[in-house]
Amino acid sequence: QKEVEQDPGPLSVPEGAIVSLNCTYSNSAFQYFMWYRQYSRKGPELLMYTYSSGNKEDGRFTAQVDKSSKYISLFIRDSQPSDSATYLCAMRGGANSKLTFGKGITLSVRP
Amino acid sequence: NAGVMQNPRHLVRRRGQEARLRCSPMKGHSHVYWYRQLPEEGLKFMVYLQKENIIDESGMPKERFSAEFPKEGPSILRIQQVVRGDSAAYFCASSPSSNEQFFGPGTRLTVL
Repeated sequence: QKEVEQDPGPLSVPEGAIVSLNCTYSNSAFQYFMWYRQYSRKGPELLMYTYSSGNKEDGRFTAQVDKSSKYISLFIRDSQPSDSATYLCAMRGGANSKLTFGKGITLSVRP
Repeated sequence: NAGVMQNPRHLVRRRGQEARLRCSPMKGHSHVYWYRQLPEEGLKFMVYLQKENIIDESGMPKERFSAEFPKEGPSILRIQQVVRGDSAAYFCASSPSSNEQFFGPGTRLTVL
């Protein structure tokens, strides 16, 4: 079993849709959870950074962490064509700074 | 405030040559991480450095790969005697502490 599993996609939605992206993990030591957005041929851009369980909202983005289920989600409201990119979940333990990533899911928002 | 800088952006090497990838962290950041992204794969951790020290190299291949972050100048990822399997995008990230990591644009290495 991989440490971090992410829905493989790709995912295509119409503009204005609510998008739900998910990851599961197996390592109970993970405490910090991140979502990165990566446009084609570019570096990953940090979108959301959360610690432990709960919700965090930033504009149209909401990150959700459920440690009891080892499950994290990213919700995008009112999706825009500019949101078309690959989304990567990442996580790390408290004492170890290396990030463990999911494989990423490619999202396409149709105008 | 410039972001993480990497150069070159594209690097072509023939099998057996050496590849040197450079990373300049964001101003004020003393933690540097290197990751590799293979086609159809996620980002994989390679090495974590602070100034003049390797903190975690658990993701580095045992042979041909080395990394440094000198007191002055950029961090360098060095790959000796490159093989076709080394073709990938190599990303550097920096952090002011052991928290958020900010990524550079990457170096795309092609081995012919």
